[in-house]
Amino acid sequence: DIVMTQSPDSLAVSLGERATINCKSSQSVLYNSNNKNYLAWYQQKPGQPPKLLIYWASTRESGVPDRFTGSGSGTDFTLTISSLQAEDVAVYFCHQYHSFPQGTFGRGTRLEIK
Amino acid sequence: EVQLVESGGGLVQPGRSLRLSCAASGFTFEDYAMHWVRQAPGKGLEWVSGISWNNGIIDYTDSVKGRFTISRDNAKNSLYLQMNSLREEDTAFYYCAKDRSSSVPSGPYDYWGQGTLVTVSS
Repeated sequence: DIVMTQSPDSLAVSLGERATINCKSSQSVLYNSNNKNYLAWYQQKPGQPPKLLIYWASTRESGVPDRFTGSGSGTDFTLTISSLQAEDVAVYFCHQYHSFPQGTFGRGTRLEIK
Repeated sequence: EVQLVESGGGLVQPGRSLRLSCAASGFTFEDYAMHWVRQAPGKGLEWVSGISWNNGIIDYTDSVKGRFTISRDNAKNSLYLQMNSLREEDTAFYYCAKDRSSSVPSGPYDYWGQGTLVTVSS
């Protein structure tokens, strides 16, 4: 199984500042045949289901603000929120779908306002 | 508007069975693979099972193999999860999720239901 390790577990950032969340996979999630990284990011607010933010490591889902950026390749990935807004308080999960049909998630990073 | 509405959760004793349903609307259900993902209260996400558009590809996480069965009825726009021999560690919110990309279960998951809570306890 591919293990996804997120860091940090929790993060407090001031409004308007940058937030960075990291995700490392135990093996590469890059498919050489199509040069795509099978890595997604989700946002989950309290009492709500997860919401897809980023897929293919860096493609923003429709309607997601451009302050959310995904980057990385192979085994190391980053979700960056360029200017934190109050509504961004949530838990963020990375998700590898390279081993489809199965997929595995990181344990989540709790993002709060400092 | 895409909607996924789960039902069938509840309190059940260890060893008993439960059947979850997910009613889909707002998209062509038969064109997409579907998944069940669970989340123990206050914990992380765990993929449980996925099914292709035509039932041709089905898979489960190891901890539920032989106990859970995923199925779908495209005529009724519905996804199901039959859960047998339930254990306390199966306690979780169970989410129905739509595959974004494909008719085969690959991921990621672009729409999720609100979830239904399954509590396994004596």
